[in-house]
Amino acid sequence: GQQLNQSPQSMFIQEGEDVSMNCTSSSIFNTWLWYKQDPGEGPVLLIALYKAGELTSNGRLTAQFGITRKDSFLNISASIPSDVGIYFCAGHSTSGTYKYIFGTGTRLKVLA
Amino acid sequence: EAQVTQNPRYLITVTGKKLTVTCSQNMNHEYMSWYRQDPGLGLRQIYYSMNVEVTDKGDVPEGYKVSRKEKRNFPLILESPSPNQTSLYFCASSLGMPDYNEQFFGPGTRLTVL
Repeated sequence: GQQLNQSPQSMFIQEGEDVSMNCTSSSIFNTWLWYKQDPGEGPVLLIALYKAGELTSNGRLTAQFGITRKDSFLNISASIPSDVGIYFCAGHSTSGTYKYIFGTGTRLKVLA
Repeated sequence: EAQVTQNPRYLITVTGKKLTVTCSQNMNHEYMSWYRQDPGLGLRQIYYSMNVEVTDKGDVPEGYKVSRKEKRNFPLILESPSPNQTSLYFCASSLGMPDYNEQFFGPGTRLTVL
């Protein structure tokens, strides 16, 4: 089945630094979504991307839908302690079903 | 308040004892889904439902059952739980076709099967 590979798996950064993470797929996706999961809670949607090449921002977050439709990246600028959490990419399968596929997650830790 | 609720939040059980985790949403959403989250594996979809009486398998359906008799409820049933089903489970819902609508997640159910 379709898989999403996220990198890095985890990262420690200093407060104020910019962060970049990406997600790649073995096949084409029609949508890319980025979620954040705070400790002890369910994931919450950050950004949704619907067209190849699309670049979308949400505050300090910027995400892009890759031209090949097989990848996406998420950037966080000027990180703050509350950015701590697990970031997941996700997409809707193009295999003729309505499955959702999630990446393995990037765990972000911000050092004050 | 618009929300997805799950019960119980925590459950410890023994191998083979049937259990049900309930999920309910109050947003009139059509699409509902169950996921399990395991360290290093992210979220994996177990089952999903496009609408009442319409369900389909996700990527890891073995050992689970679901039903969708009402639009708001989507229970997850483990007929004979095994230790490899120890995991954190999330229910989620979205307005309609998953392409264009974000999924709202419940708070999670942490299940331990001894």
